[in-house]
Order: sequence, then C-alpha cells, then structure tokens
Amino acid sequence: EVQVVESGGGLVQPGGSLRLSCEASGFIFSHYYMHWARLAPGKGLVWVSDVSGDGRSRNYADSVKGRFTISRDNAMNTVFLQMNSLRAEDTAVYFCGRGGVPNAVDVWGKGTTVTVS
Amino acid sequence: QSALTQPPSASGSPGQSVTISCTGTRSDVGDYNYVSWYQHHPGKAPKLMIYEVTKRPSGVPDRFSGSKSGNTASLTVSGLQAEDEADYYCSSYSGSNNRYVFGTGTKVTVL
Repeated sequence: EVQVVESGGGLVQPGGSLRLSCEASGFIFSHYYMHWARLAPGKGLVWVSDVSGDGRSRNYADSVKGRFTISRDNAMNTVFLQMNSLRAEDTAVYFCGRGGVPNAVDVWGKGTTVTVS
Repeated sequence: QSALTQPPSASGSPGQSVTISCTGTRSDVGDYNYVSWYQHHPGKAPKLMIYEVTKRPSGVPDRFSGSKSGNTASLTVSGLQAEDEADYYCSSYSGSNNRYVFGTGTKVTVL
C-alpha cells in the first residue's frame, strides 16, 4: 500500500525550532517529488515546500523561505522539514505528500500538528 | 501570491449536482493546465480528485469532473452522495516564486 506518515509535530515557543518527518512506503521513494503543505485553523490549505527525487531541487513558499529547510534521505524513505524561527502564524496541521502526477500530489498523509505559542 | 478564489460554501440534495469555481490569474490557472482538486474530510488525509484540469486518478468516481475556461477552473460533482460532504480545494501550478497556490476552500454540504 502506498502511504506516507508524518511525525514530529508538537508545541513550541515563538522563535523555536521543530523538525517534521514523513516516512514513505509502498513505492520507489527516490523517483518522486515530495511536498509539504499546511492547514491553519479556520484557514485553507497552503503549499509550503517541495523537493525533487534526488534532493537537488528545493522550493519554498515566500512565507517560509529562509526559515524552513526541506531535505530527504532516500535510504530511509523519509523527507524532513526543519522549521526554525517559528511564529504564531506557523501554527497548523502539516501534511506531507507524494508528487505522483504532474504538478499535483496524489498521496497525502493525515498530517502532524504544530502549535507555536 | 494570493490564494485562488473559491466560494466558501456550496450545497445540494442527494442526486443533484454542484459546481465549485476556482478563480486565479493569468500567472497560474490561466497559463497552465495544471489545476488539481482535493477533497478533505477534517481529520483525514486530503484526497486527489482531479489533476491536469480534467484527469481523474484511478478510483475516483466519474461523478467528479473538472474543466477550465480562462482564469477560472471548475469542479462538478454529479449525483451527490452523503460521503461527498467535505471541504474541497483547488490548486494550480504558478509561474511565480510560490510554485503552487491553493484555493480558499469550499465546504460542500449534502442537504
């Protein structure tokens, strides 16, 4: 079964850091872009970042550029999101997903909750 | 980069159809045929319903269809069923620094 499972969320103070992980299974991990998106309370989904299959291409939303870093370990089938200088507005459920079709995410996880307070 | 504009809510009775609009700009929806639609039941994983404007992933019922005209894309759900009640988000590839932009979301209620 193709699936991705996020972990690492929690409560952190403003200015603090957190590292999210997303473990994939059921597919050849290194063949796919991986994405992070977030859903803040009462708001809509927002794309956060993506990384190419070989890890060489990394892209970020302007709202997190310079504070968040995406990376991946293809040997561990895991993608990471290092979040630094966290702000209250980063509070959200963070979803990881596979870029399995052109410019869309075909498999999402259930998310991990980050609270900055 | 602003979010794509969707109506906050839409509704219909079982068996009826509902259409959700998604309005962007020439820099995203208008310029690229990379519009996708996601269904999200709160607390669960989002689900891809449509990609590349009109394509359905395997397993998505053909009651779900997508289209685009100019800067506006649409998702139509025909033959509404109770399980279609969810939040729906459109998304588009964008030529700006923010590679992808999502819509504001539409809550679909089955009356």
